[in-house]
Amino acid sequence: GQSLEQPSEVTAVEGAIVQINCTYQTSGFYGLSWYQQHDGGAPTFLSYNGLDGLEETGRFSSFLSRSDSYGYLLLQELQMKDSASYFCAAFSGGYNKLIFGAGTRLAVHP
Amino acid sequence: ETGVTQTPRHLVMGMTNKKSLKCEQHLGHNAMYWYKQSAKKPLELMFVYNFKEQTENNSVPSRFSPECPNSSHLFLHLHTLQPEDSALYLCASSQVPGGDSYEQYFGPGTRLTVT
Repeated sequence: GQSLEQPSEVTAVEGAIVQINCTYQTSGFYGLSWYQQHDGGAPTFLSYNGLDGLEETGRFSSFLSRSDSYGYLLLQELQMKDSASYFCAAFSGGYNKLIFGAGTRLAVHP
Repeated sequence: ETGVTQTPRHLVMGMTNKKSLKCEQHLGHNAMYWYKQSAKKPLELMFVYNFKEQTENNSVPSRFSPECPNSSHLFLHLHTLQPEDSALYLCASSQVPGGDSYEQYFGPGTRLTVT
């Protein structure tokens, strides 16, 4: 079957750095995306990796290793507003089919 | 209106009712999606439409019936649902192929409760 595994919960303090890992098993893998979802809100896009390596967007970075079927989201200079659920998602067999992980709930404390 | 809108935001229905969820995207995208989000489970892709044509049905029970009359509107018709169908139903849109952006834009969702 197709699946993405990520930790269910992560806790960190303001100003810290946190890394959320994601391993995937999907057929016809095209690339890995990351989404953020606040409680009661809609998922919003954070980043996409189609090739191996690091993509940086402000305080957030995302990494992909196709050979290891692994990626991560790195959040730096954590703020209270970063408390949310973070989902990795893989395009499978095309750019229409996005398979999501179960999400990692990040709690940022003062 | 901007982005992706969904109505209603909340819906309570009995197992014998028939109701419809509506989604509208104002982004000029060519693909639209229905997802189901249940507590502590991954978002589940239900249906995909490209240029109004259904290209993906992820083994969804027939009590869920999608309709895409044009590239801006998407409906999900519901009938004889089960309590386990209670969930947040999210609509999304994107431009495919991805080009420089692979982002899917999500609506706020419809919180469905089946009694």
